[in-house]
Amino acid sequence: GAGVSQSPSNKVTEKGKDVELRCDPISGHTALYWYRQSLGQGLEFLIYFQGNSAPDKSGLPSDRFSAERTGGSVSTLTIQRTQQEDSAVYLCASSLARLGETQYFGPGTRLLVL
Amino acid sequence: GEDVEQSLFLSVREGDSSVINCTYTDSSSTYLYWYKQEPGAGLQLLTYIFSNMDMKQDQRLTVLLNKKDKHLSLRIADTQTGDSAIYFCAEGHGSSNTGKLIFGQGTTLQVKP
Repeated sequence: GAGVSQSPSNKVTEKGKDVELRCDPISGHTALYWYRQSLGQGLEFLIYFQGNSAPDKSGLPSDRFSAERTGGSVSTLTIQRTQQEDSAVYLCASSLARLGETQYFGPGTRLLVL
Repeated sequence: GEDVEQSLFLSVREGDSSVINCTYTDSSSTYLYWYKQEPGAGLQLLTYIFSNMDMKQDQRLTVLLNKKDKHLSLRIADTQTGDSAIYFCAEGHGSSNTGKLIFGQGTTLQVKP
């Protein structure tokens, strides 16, 4: 079946602009995660959605970052007033929570802020 | 706090075994994972192990877990050039309240022909 998809695959923007990154999880997966991978770094957790529960936003680095998940499926990560340090690969993952934390990752969106 | 550490680089010759090591700090981790990331690609789940297991074998991959020392390793037998990638160790929890994974910084595996 189809895996996790993300769009756009690449995004170049100017400092100060807002960007929206989209994630389509695997159908039927109730849990959805956003991570950030900066150059040469490991993955940094950003936010976690599980069903209808309140999301775990503990990883969001600043109030310029927000995310929503509509209808329990597609998610959008929004970065307002982008800064150069926001340049990174943004990865989305989904999982069937009842099987534990086996997360399946999308290909990522490569964001470059000039 | 939670932390996962890996060595940054490993170089082996084709046909040799590779062993990638990882240490973690959170003793309440329920699952431990190995992910592979090839250049320009997303993360691919290789294998995972429950914290109540000592070993898991899957074809050329062997995962060893020493829970007392909080040490996890991934052994790749008969390493091939296609195994060249970055390997990430990650820990997670089975609690529905904690969905995030804590990742190490990744080990770059270079396989020389």
